[in-house]
Amino acid sequence: RKEVEQDPGPFNVPEGATVAFNCTYSNSASQSFFWYRQDCRKEPKLLMSVYSSGNEDGRFTAQLNRASQYISLLIRDSKLSDSATYLCVVNLRTGNTPLVFGKGTRLSVIA
Amino acid sequence: DADVTQTPRNRITKTGKRIMLECSQTKGHDRMYWYRQDPGLGLRLIYYSFDVKDINKGEISDGYSVSRQAQAKFSLSLESAIPNQTALYFCATSTGANYGYTFGSGTRLTVV
Repeated sequence: RKEVEQDPGPFNVPEGATVAFNCTYSNSASQSFFWYRQDCRKEPKLLMSVYSSGNEDGRFTAQLNRASQYISLLIRDSKLSDSATYLCVVNLRTGNTPLVFGKGTRLSVIA
Repeated sequence: DADVTQTPRNRITKTGKRIMLECSQTKGHDRMYWYRQDPGLGLRLIYYSFDVKDINKGEISDGYSVSRQAQAKFSLSLESAIPNQTALYFCATSTGANYGYTFGSGTRLTVV
C-alpha cells in the first residue's frame, strides 16, 4: 500500500452537488490527519484537521476511519469556488517526522 | 505581510548556475521545510529542519543544499542547476508533529 493514497480524479460535479473524497494511509499508528486545498499554481492551504470523532466546518465534513485506515472529506452544496485540488495529509509515524502528503484529488464544480 | 515569505517569486536561470531560494517566517515556528512540486508528482520533501542546529534530508535531496541561518530563515541552494530542477518550490513551517503546515507562496524556478 502506498503511504498516502488518493484518487487523482478529476471529479466533475454540478453546482449544488454533494461530493466525497477518500484517502487511505498505510500506518495504523498514524497520529494526525489533515485536508489541504490547493488552487492551481498556488500554495496549499489548510482546510481542516480531521478528528477521531469527525468534524464539520460549514459545508465541509471530515471523518476518520481507523479500522479501515482512511479519512474522508465531504463537500455539500458545491460551489464553483470549491474547484481546486484537495490534498490528504497524514502524520504517518510517531516521533519527529514530517507530514506525508497525498498527490491530491482534483475537483471541478461546473455551472 | 505574509507569515511565510519566499523570494524570489519567479526565477529563470541557466544550466550550471548556482541559485539560492530564500524563505523567512514571522510565525515563530521552529520547524521549516522545503518541497518541490511537479505536475502529477505531488509535493516532494527536499530538506527539513526542526531547529537551527538540525538539518535533515528529505526524499529528493540530491542536487540541493540548505542553510538554516536563524529560526526564521531557511534557504535552499541549487549548486549547479539542471533543467530537471525546473519546478514550483514551496517553503513551509510548523510548530509540531501534530500541527499542520503553513506554506509560502512558492518560487517558480525555470532552468534553461
